[in-house]
Amino acid sequence: NAGVTQTPKFQVLKTGQSMTLQCAQDMNHNSMYWYRQDPGMGLRLIYYSASEGTTDKGEVPNGYNVSRLNKREFSLRLESAAPSQTSVYFCASSGGGQGAFGYTFGSGTRLTVV
Amino acid sequence: QKEVEQDPGPLSVPEGAIVSLNCTYSNSAFQYFMWYRQYSRKGPELLMYTYSSGNKEDGRFTAQVDKSSKYISLFIRDSQPSDSATYLCAMSPFGNEKLTFGTGTRLTIIP
Repeated sequence: NAGVTQTPKFQVLKTGQSMTLQCAQDMNHNSMYWYRQDPGMGLRLIYYSASEGTTDKGEVPNGYNVSRLNKREFSLRLESAAPSQTSVYFCASSGGGQGAFGYTFGSGTRLTVV
Repeated sequence: QKEVEQDPGPLSVPEGAIVSLNCTYSNSAFQYFMWYRQYSRKGPELLMYTYSSGNKEDGRFTAQVDKSSKYISLFIRDSQPSDSATYLCAMSPFGNEKLTFGTGTRLTIIP
């Protein structure tokens, strides 16, 4: 019962480098989300996908792109990393039919951009 | 002004005390209310959820919703050091979509 799996757990990037954060869920959820969490700012939604093949911008999408590869996987790409993107990134999923509540989160990716 | 306001704390209480955590909100469309617990360096995990107004109890935890005041609370009885974590409120017009989160309250239970 893995739930939501994120890779990598830690990453250090130099300014201008690119990388992709991977997320996979095994709960047959339709919706998936990418958040960043910064001190004093709480969880801020970057992008979300309500179903396979669809993606929408959240509160802070600038500098990020996403791909909903299939129902299980939702990746987040930083094309040209900036120090302002230093954060903890969480992937989450939701769904599961009647009576399902809330999101299931992954354990996070700690990203430092130097 | 944010849709959901939550005092960030930090809040420190002695072991065994009753803890009260609160959130206020402005969107009257919110119908589903949740509390998440987040341990250090972990992802948030769903602790409790309630629908509309009223109380819900689960062991030492009680969630309370007052829609007329747009105010929700989480009470922890007989607090334990293992309850030390950040608690985030979350709410939505739907059950599991479009959640809006509070910023979280950092709680420390002192043995």
